[in-house]
Amino acid sequence: GQNIDQPTEMTATEGAIVQINCTYQTSGFNGLFWYQQHAGEAPTFLSYNVLDGLEEKGRFSSFLSRSKGYSYLLLKELQMKDSASYLCAVRALNDYKLSFGAGTTVTVRA
Amino acid sequence: GAVVSQHPSRVICKSGTSVKIECRSLDFQATTMFWYRQFPKQSLMLMATSNEGSKATYEQGVEKDKFLINHASLTLSTLTVTSAHPEDSSFYICSASGTGVIDTQYFGPGTRLTVL
Repeated sequence: GQNIDQPTEMTATEGAIVQINCTYQTSGFNGLFWYQQHAGEAPTFLSYNVLDGLEEKGRFSSFLSRSKGYSYLLLKELQMKDSASYLCAVRALNDYKLSFGAGTTVTVRA
Repeated sequence: GAVVSQHPSRVICKSGTSVKIECRSLDFQATTMFWYRQFPKQSLMLMATSNEGSKATYEQGVEKDKFLINHASLTLSTLTVTSAHPEDSSFYICSASGTGVIDTQYFGPGTRLTVL
C-alpha cells in the first residue's frame, strides 16, 4: 500500500515562495503527481516526476528523490488565485492507480 | 487537450432512488477510467477502476452492487448509485487515463450528490 504525508495547511504572502513537502512510503512506485484543487472543483494536473530531480514549469516546480521517498512542490511569485488545496499523489507500479495525500491547503494573503 | 466532462454537475435526489453519473473523455480515448469520492475537507478516495469492455475493479469496502460502473466505450463510463441514502451524499469525481507515455489521470469537474 501507500502512505503519503503532507502538511495540512500553509499560509504565505502574495509574491512570496512556498514549498509544499510530501513524503511517501510505497510498495511500488511509478511516478509522483501534483494536482491543484480549488474548493468545490475537481483537481487539475500540475506536474509529474518519475526520475530524481527538478521539473520546472513556469511558476511551479516539483522535485523528487526516490531514495528518500520525498517530493516537494515549489510555488513562486504567489498570486491570490494560487489559494487552493495541493494534492500529492503516488502512482502504483502495475495498475496505474493513484493514491492521494490528504492535501495541503495554501492560503495566499495580500 | 485532455478534457474530461462529467454530467450532471449537481444532483439532489430522494432517499431510495438511483442516480446515474456520466464521465466522458472529449478529446482522447480513455483506456482506463477511475471513480473517486471526496468528503468535505478530505482527500480523494478511489472507489473503482474501470477498463473499457471489462468489469470494474472495486476498492476494498466499496459495494459493487450499490455503485454500478459501466465502461461501454473508450470515451464513456457511468457510475450509478443505487438506492441512494443520505450517507452517500458526497462529491463524486471521475478521471480518465489514455495510452500515452505518462498516462496522466485527467479529472472531470465532479458531481455533487445530495441525498435527502
